[in-house]
Amino acid sequence: DAGITQSPRHKVTETGTPVTLRCHQTENHRYMYWYRQDPGHGLRLIHYSYGVKDTDKGEVSDGYSVSRSKTEDFLLTLESATSSQTSVYFCAISESSGVYEQYFGPGTRLTVT
Amino acid sequence: AQSVTQPDIHITVSEGASLELRCNYSYGATPYLFWYVQSPGQGLQLLLKYFSGDTLVQGIKGFEAEFKRSQSSFNLRKPSVHWSDAAEYFCAVASTGGGNKLTFGTGTQLKVEL
Repeated sequence: DAGITQSPRHKVTETGTPVTLRCHQTENHRYMYWYRQDPGHGLRLIHYSYGVKDTDKGEVSDGYSVSRSKTEDFLLTLESATSSQTSVYFCAISESSGVYEQYFGPGTRLTVT
Repeated sequence: AQSVTQPDIHITVSEGASLELRCNYSYGATPYLFWYVQSPGQGLQLLLKYFSGDTLVQGIKGFEAEFKRSQSSFNLRKPSVHWSDAAEYFCAVASTGGGNKLTFGTGTQLKVEL
């Protein structure tokens, strides 16, 4: 299994509070991704990173920001959590350009009350 | 833009029966295609991939998939299903525009009856 950890694994937070989710990899892969998974929608890309300090938006980026200050860490921040952001969040990694396989972390279940 | 359709939301099969999960894609060029499996409470695991060459690809856990360009399909098959195959299955296609991005289908939930 790819060395990917996510923390926390579960979190309950209140509407309006900021939340940061962490993804940590030990594979030294260049690309990192944040997805959300919701019933009936599959996985949708929030943001991704193609290197340290290099990030770009995915299809559902509103209300989310990311940062990558080290190769191994990719942080997802919900600036002001809303109930619509209740979801399961997955981090994934991919090795290099043109190698499309992505390997997934175990997920973080976030509930916004 | 590329897209993936998995027409079956739920499928139920008996243990020992054969399985076929459908996946249709929309993509202008030769696609890079993937199947992933997700067990309850787990992340996604790569089952197999198609980049080019032989249109029948073998994966882990006894799964295979066949790429059919004329039908824009990449269906997943297994000759004999085991109870442990109960999970959700996702088809994905590599996206254009860089970033090694994938576009996922909405998934098919497989139930196995004993």
